[in-house]
Amino acid sequence: GQNIDQPTEMTATEGAIVQINCTYQTSGFNGLFWYQQHAGEAPTFLSYNVLDGLEEKGRFSSFLSRSKGYSYLLLKELQMKDSASYLCAVRDSNYQLIWGAGTKLIIKP
Amino acid sequence: DVKVTQSSRYLVKRTGEKVFLECVQDMDHENMFWYRQDPGLGLRLIYFSYDVKMKEKGDIPEGYSVSREKKERFSLILESASTNQTSMYLCASSLMGVTSGTSYEQYFGPGTRLTVT
Repeated sequence: GQNIDQPTEMTATEGAIVQINCTYQTSGFNGLFWYQQHAGEAPTFLSYNVLDGLEEKGRFSSFLSRSKGYSYLLLKELQMKDSASYLCAVRDSNYQLIWGAGTKLIIKP
Repeated sequence: DVKVTQSSRYLVKRTGEKVFLECVQDMDHENMFWYRQDPGLGLRLIYFSYDVKMKEKGDIPEGYSVSREKKERFSLILESASTNQTSMYLCASSLMGVTSGTSYEQYFGPGTRLTVT
């Protein structure tokens, strides 16, 4: 079966760095997405990786290793507004998205 | 600015009622999706559509149907609502394409929190 694993919850301190991991087993691979979802709001697109390596976008970076079925989202200089759930999703061979359950990130002052 | 809108943010219905959830996108996207989101579970795909009048079953289509009469509008119908359909329902849209390296990310509406009593 297809499976995406990510931690349920993480806590970090304002100004620090946090890494949210995602491992996947899917039927084929056509890219990995990270979305941010604030409580009660819609998910919004953060990043897309299809080749191995690191993609950087301001304070956020996303890494992919296809051979290991592994990705992480790195958030630097954490701000209180980064408190949200972070969803990992993989596009499979049928171009359908398989979603992880999400990681709730709590930022403490 | 891209926009996906849903007809209601909150809805309370009784068991057995027919429920209509509407979604409209203004981005001229070919693909539209309906998901439900429950605590501790990932987004689960109910139905999707890649063209007007076309529909495909997702992972959990039982108890639901859909309608896409116009490109910008995708409706989800609960024929006879049940308490286990109490959930957050999210609509999304995306461009269609298979070009390698292109994200074709999905854009989401604000969601409808449906309670069936």
